Amino acid sequence: DTAVSQTPKYLVTQMGNDKSIKCEQNLGHDTMYWYKQDSKKFLKIMFSYNNKELIINETVPNRFSPKSPDKAHLNLHINSLELGDSAVYFCASSQVLSTGKAYEQYFGPGTRLTVT
Amino acid sequence: GENVEQHPSTLSVQEGDSAVIKCTYSDSASNYFPWYKQELGKRPQLIIDIRSNVGEKKDQRIAVTLNKTAKHFSLHITETQPEDSAVYFCAASRRNTDKLIFGTGTRLQVFP
Repeated sequence: DTAVSQTPKYLVTQMGNDKSIKCEQNLGHDTMYWYKQDSKKFLKIMFSYNNKELIINETVPNRFSPKSPDKAHLNLHINSLELGDSAVYFCASSQVLSTGKAYEQYFGPGTRLTVT
Repeated sequence: GENVEQHPSTLSVQEGDSAVIKCTYSDSASNYFPWYKQELGKRPQLIIDIRSNVGEKKDQRIAVTLNKTAKHFSLHITETQPEDSAVYFCAASRRNTDKLIFGTGTRLQVFP
């Protein structure tokens, strides 16, 4: 009955590899997000999708490509991994009204990515 | 551009004391201000939020105050307990958007 789940929880890989992180929410929310939390704990939004449509796309290298097959899932694919990509990646979801009014964002447990 | 500054970066208090964390936002169009708590190795979780049409909100031992003129908002925790120890993040989003800009976090340690 987990609200927002992510897989895998830990990911250790070498530079240059391609990897994916998956996220699913069972809250019936229409908006999902990817955040990156670096070693200093800074939490920064990367992308958001509303009903499978890309809404927010921050200045993220195009090696990062989100994909939303339906509004309950948002995956993150990362090509040609670099050392600086090491971080904890959090998925989140929320219900956003048509007016854009913000409500609580529910975070997943995070995926700790280590690039060696 | 959008920016949220948060102070202090670390805060140590004795159990039972109060703790105050302050944030300043730059975007005058911001109208939603949530606070998240992140325990070690866990996910951020919302503890309280406030909208710009309200000056103060309270929930048991935690309260948030908002000064729109000064673009400041603060988190107040009274009667702190060891389980309050965590990293606290403030955030702000502007009207008609759900994009949250997070502060840099405050590590709160409550000593028994």
